[in-house]
Amino acid sequence: NAGVTQTPKFQVLKTGQSMTLQCAQDMNHEYMSWYRQDPGMGLRLIHYSVGAGITDQGEVPNGYNVSRSTTEDFPLRLLSAAPSQTSVYFCASSLDGGNTIYFGEGSWLTVV
Amino acid sequence: AQRVTQPEKLLSVFKGAPVELKCNYSYSGSPELFWYVQYSRQRLQLLLRHISRESIKGFTADLNKGETSFHLKKPFAQEEDSAMYYCAPEGANAGGTSYGKLTFGQGTILTVHP
Repeated sequence: NAGVTQTPKFQVLKTGQSMTLQCAQDMNHEYMSWYRQDPGMGLRLIHYSVGAGITDQGEVPNGYNVSRSTTEDFPLRLLSAAPSQTSVYFCASSLDGGNTIYFGEGSWLTVV
Repeated sequence: AQRVTQPEKLLSVFKGAPVELKCNYSYSGSPELFWYVQYSRQRLQLLLRHISRESIKGFTADLNKGETSFHLKKPFAQEEDSAMYYCAPEGANAGGTSYGKLTFGQGTILTVHP
């Protein structure tokens, strides 16, 4: 059971570099989302998608870009990395609204 | 604005003692309410949801609409309950259709001592 798979697990970036965090799910879930987890802040929603071709902003979208060309994949792009984006990133998916949300294992990103 | 408050960052109890993790929310409409848990070296996972009225691993959560609270309780804590716990309402529109996105509290780290 793959569930929600995130890559890479660890990444160090220099300020100004760009990168993409990959997320894939094999459960045919319509809803996918990205969260970041910071100490004392809980998890905050970055972007989410309710189906292929549909994305919307969450609570902290600045500096991030997403697309949803397929049901399975929901990559998160950092356009120009900043130290403030040092965090743990979680991808999540659910069948639809109101259902259990399944999380990936997390991606640890450090921006120096 | 939608807000979730978990007032305790850290909570320590001894094995066998009762435990209550507090959650207060400020949310428009009637959100669906969840508790998620993250054990050491494991991914975040659902513990329980209000609509199911279930008890998972001995935990229950009662919704108090008047106080807008959804506290998580267990009468006898076990060492394996040590984890980070998140309260998370899920928003819905006026028609009751869920947006499928959670708002998380800051989390409470529960430590159960032997």
